[in-house]
This record gives sequence, C-alpha cells and structure tokens, in this order.
Amino acid sequence: DAGVIQSPRHEVTEMGQEVTLRCKPISGHNSLFWYRQTMMRGLELLIYFNNNVPIDDSGMPEDRFSAKMPNASFSTLKIQPSEPRDSAVYFCASSTDRGSYNEQFFGPGTRLTVL
Amino acid sequence: AQSVTQLDSQVPVFEEAPVELRCNYSSSVSVYLFWYVQYPNQGLQLLLKYLSGSTLVKGINGFEAEFNKSQTSFHLRKPSVHISDTAEYFCAVSESGGSYIPTFGRGTSLIVHP
Repeated sequence: DAGVIQSPRHEVTEMGQEVTLRCKPISGHNSLFWYRQTMMRGLELLIYFNNNVPIDDSGMPEDRFSAKMPNASFSTLKIQPSEPRDSAVYFCASSTDRGSYNEQFFGPGTRLTVL
Repeated sequence: AQSVTQLDSQVPVFEEAPVELRCNYSSSVSVYLFWYVQYPNQGLQLLLKYLSGSTLVKGINGFEAEFNKSQTSFHLRKPSVHISDTAEYFCAVSESGGSYIPTFGRGTSLIVHP
C-alpha cells in the first residue's frame, strides 16, 4: 500500500485566498484524522471522521475551516479565507476502526504558508 | 479525559550514549500508550505501543519503553543512539473502551551530536 497520501506537499498563498488540502487514507481504514502542527501549539487534532461521518470537530479553529469526506478514499480540508496565522503543517492520518488501541498512520503533511 | 506530559522539550546527547525520553500521563481509566517518531519533513510513524501484558515494550530501531502504572509513566529508552535517531518523539495515550482519538504530548526533540 502507498500509505496515506496528501496533496499538495507545499502550498504558498496570499491572505484571503481559499486553500484546499487533500487526503487519501489507506485502503480499508475507516477512521480519518486531520491535525495541524505548529511550533507554538504542537500537534492539534482538528477533526475526526469515522465511516465518512464527522464525529468530533471541536478542534476546528473557526468557521473559516471546513472538512469533508465524500467517500472512504478521499477527504478535504478547506480554509476560506486564509490568514497568516493558518501557516502550519497539516497532517492527515488514518486508522482501522477497531478501538482506541490502533495506531494512526500519518501522511507526509502539507506545509502551508499564508503570506 | 486523558492528558500527556513530555517533560523535556529538547534532549541533546552524544552519539553512542544512552538516552531516556520522559512521558507521564493522566487518566482515570486503563490506557493504551504509544510512542511515535517524526523525522524532519515527514509525518509521524509508530515506534512502539503498550496495550497490555509485559510492561517492557520493544519497538523498532532498538527503542524500548516501560509502562509504570504506579508512576503513570511510559518513558522511552535506547541504550546507544545514532545520528540517524535525531528526530521529534511524541508520546500518546488513549483510553481503553473510549474513543479512537489519542492525546499527543508536545513532543521531545532528540538531538544526537557526533
């Protein structure tokens, strides 16, 4: 398996622009997580899907952020409008739906820079 | 709810020296414990995990960790580090019977000097 795939790997945009990050989880995994990593706050969970349904989005910073999972093999995280403080590395991770003892498999991340 | 504390934000060490990265957790129920490693410009990957049974867990790349319930700790150790072990290490905890969402610590940067 190719592992969790994220695109783009790097994104540079200007403040106010819409940004869409994409994730393809590992086939057969039905839990998907979006994280944000910054020096200031470390690794933050933004939203968690199970069987394509958002279960916990309490970590989504504000209404500018939205996430979708239209099917089991694709998810997007959208920021509209983007702001400089959104600059971070965004990770997607997936795991199997067999309990809290399962490891998460992380993608390589998308490094977002908002100017 | 569970929480994780990694006491050291940065640990410098010389090559071939032993290292211990500390992790303490807080939870009112039984837990599962994980250590992940993040190499530069990569995502996190699992080093090892404790689910039950023997309190000494061996992982990849010569790392091991010991679960100490009385001290609520899960410290990571390696008897002899290599330059290639330079990375960020994250401790994570999830509650047995709880949600699938682990809580991650802030991470410890291990810096191995030649």
